[in-house]
Amino acid sequence: LAKTTQPISMDSYEGQEVNITCSHNNIATNDYITWYQQFPSQGPRFIIQGYKTKVTNEVASLFIPADRKSSTLSLPRVSLSDTAVYYCLVGDVAGKSTFGDGTTLTVKP
Amino acid sequence: NAGVTQTPKFQVLKTGQSMTLQCAQDMNHNSMYWYRQDPGMGLRLIYYSASEGTTDKGEVPNGYNVSRLNKREFSLRLESAAPSQTSVYFCASSTQQGAQGEAFFGQGTRLTVV
Repeated sequence: LAKTTQPISMDSYEGQEVNITCSHNNIATNDYITWYQQFPSQGPRFIIQGYKTKVTNEVASLFIPADRKSSTLSLPRVSLSDTAVYYCLVGDVAGKSTFGDGTTLTVKP
Repeated sequence: NAGVTQTPKFQVLKTGQSMTLQCAQDMNHNSMYWYRQDPGMGLRLIYYSASEGTTDKGEVPNGYNVSRLNKREFSLRLESAAPSQTSVYFCASSTQQGAQGEAFFGQGTRLTVV
């Protein structure tokens, strides 16, 4: 299972765009990159997944460079309710991945 | 739509006691997983089941056993609980064993071993 490295914490203000970068130097050919969000006392919730280039859905964008050794989760115009822990996962089996310690995002008013 | 349901939500055990954590999903998913999360840390995979009738060890399997009772249910058993097993346990399921797709998580079982 590929190991990931993320910043421990980030602060932002409401309405700003937040970019969280994840490093995964040992990513394998079959691995996908998946991001989850976790609120206190809840299970993680899927945000977005990608293999290469850019993926966008209604809540976030995921940017993956050509070498796939890193990825960036972009959250547009964050609100207070986006305060949570964000996990970057790399693996070849959905659900069977190494979570790491995640990035605690704090959104301030 | 219930999704992934875990029981119980809270449990306190004495050292040496045994118990089974239950998990059921109603999404017709093939794969199911058990994770533990210690305070301030990420989730660590205990066991997983790629399909009905199969189980495999994850990152931290020692002290645990699992049973994939049927496609819907995947239980986690602690035969002799230890204080080091105090944690929040999450069950998850996904549609397929392939890389693509998302995992759906339950609300967790908070276990304290005294």
